[in-house]
Amino acid sequence: KNQVEQSPQSLIILEGKNCTLQCNYTVSPFSNLRWYKQDTGRGPVSLTIMTFSENTKSNGRYTATLDADTKQSSLHITASQLSDSASYICVVSAGIHDMRFGAGTRLTVKP
Amino acid sequence: ETGVTQSPTHLIKTRGQQVTLRCSSQSGHNTVSWYQQALGQGPQFIFQYYREEENGRGNFPPRFSGLQFPNYSSELNVNALELDDSALYLCASSLLAGGPTDTQYFGPGTRLTVL
Repeated sequence: KNQVEQSPQSLIILEGKNCTLQCNYTVSPFSNLRWYKQDTGRGPVSLTIMTFSENTKSNGRYTATLDADTKQSSLHITASQLSDSASYICVVSAGIHDMRFGAGTRLTVKP
Repeated sequence: ETGVTQSPTHLIKTRGQQVTLRCSSQSGHNTVSWYQQALGQGPQFIFQYYREEENGRGNFPPRFSGLQFPNYSSELNVNALELDDSALYLCASSLLAGGPTDTQYFGPGTRLTVL
C-alpha cells in the first residue's frame, strides 16, 4: 500500500478559480514533504519543500500547508491559469534515500 | 528548463533485450537519482549515485544497474527487459546527497516501451 495518498485523483476547474489538493501520508520517520508539478511528457518540477517545523510555504500562486501531527498536507492554487494544467505530486521523505511519491492529482484548468 | 537532459526521448525494445539510458546533470551536481514512472503513477526510486558511487537503492532487481561519470553524466542500464519495464524513466540531479531541503532537478524523461 502506498504510504502517500493523494486526493482527488483528478480535478477540473475553470480558469480563475481556486483549488486545493490533498496529501495524506503514513511515512515514518518524517524528514520533509515536497510538492512537484509535472507537465505531460516532462519531468517533475519542485514547487515547495517543507520540513517538520514548517507549516506553510508559498511559491507565487501556490501555497502548501503541512500538519505533521495529522500527517496531512495541502496544496492551494490561487487564481488558476490554463498553464496550471498538470499533475501535482506529493513526495514525503523518510530519509536521504527514502522518498515516497504519491500517484499525483491530475488538474485540468478550462477556459 | 532544469538544465538536466536525457536521451533518447523515446525507445522501443523487445523482451529480453538490454537498454542503456543516459542523463546529463546540472554542472556541479554530485548526486543523480533515477526513477521509474509507470503510466498514471508517481515515480518509484531506483537508485542514487553520489560522486560515482551508488549510495542508495530502491526495491529494484540487480538487472537494473547504473554508472555515474566525472563529467556529471550518468547511465541507467536494464538487462533482460520485461514487459513491465515499460515506463517513463526519470533522472534527477541535486547538489548534495539528498539532504532534507536539497532540491532535485528532473530531466524530461525517457519513454521506454518493451514489446
